[in-house]
Amino acid sequence: SQKIEQNSEALNIQEGKTATLTCNYTNYSPAYLQWYRQDPGRGPVFLLLIRENEKEKRKERLKVTFDTTLKQSLFHITASQPADSATYLCARSRNAGGTSYGKLTFGQGTILTVHP
Amino acid sequence: KAGVTQTPRYLIKTRGQQVTLSCSPISGHRSVSWYQQTPGQGLQFLFEYFSETQRNKGNFPGRFSGRQFSNSRSEMNVSTLELGDSALYLCASSEQPLRGQTEAFFGQGTRLTVV
Repeated sequence: SQKIEQNSEALNIQEGKTATLTCNYTNYSPAYLQWYRQDPGRGPVFLLLIRENEKEKRKERLKVTFDTTLKQSLFHITASQPADSATYLCARSRNAGGTSYGKLTFGQGTILTVHP
Repeated sequence: KAGVTQTPRYLIKTRGQQVTLSCSPISGHRSVSWYQQTPGQGLQFLFEYFSETQRNKGNFPGRFSGRQFSNSRSEMNVSTLELGDSALYLCASSEQPLRGQTEAFFGQGTRLTVV
């Protein structure tokens, strides 16, 4: 079955640097990868989505890439700020029906801490 | 527009009891899905409802059930609670069933503690 893995449990960086978070998947390509941000005690908030045939997507200081050869998506936050500190989750979604219908499959998340 | 509302925010129950959690989706959203979040397992899919029909179900025991009403509001029920059911239960709504490019809007969750 499909697995979504975020290898780093935690990432600590200095303010102003670029944070790079990794999301790996096994087996078949997930069609879409979505990235969410979750703050303590709150639900996840959608950030960006990338399709498997897209190489890169950007939104303000955020950038996500999708490499089907490496079976990996990278999520970048440039010019990071302490306010970017949160847990970041990647999730797979598919268009097809069957067991994939109507659900997101999440990775375990990476806790990002940006130090002033 | 109001966001996804989950009630109650916190709940403490005893083993063996049952519990009902409620979710009101964003106005106009017809799809509601439920997730369980624990430190060990992360976010796990429970089930998804669209137009009052359960469209998909995750790998959880039959003690976990849900339903959706005609106004799209949803409830989930857990019977015969076990200590391992302690978790943050999250509800997400979307205009259409979650798939592909559909963005999910999550509520703040219900923190259930089973003692």
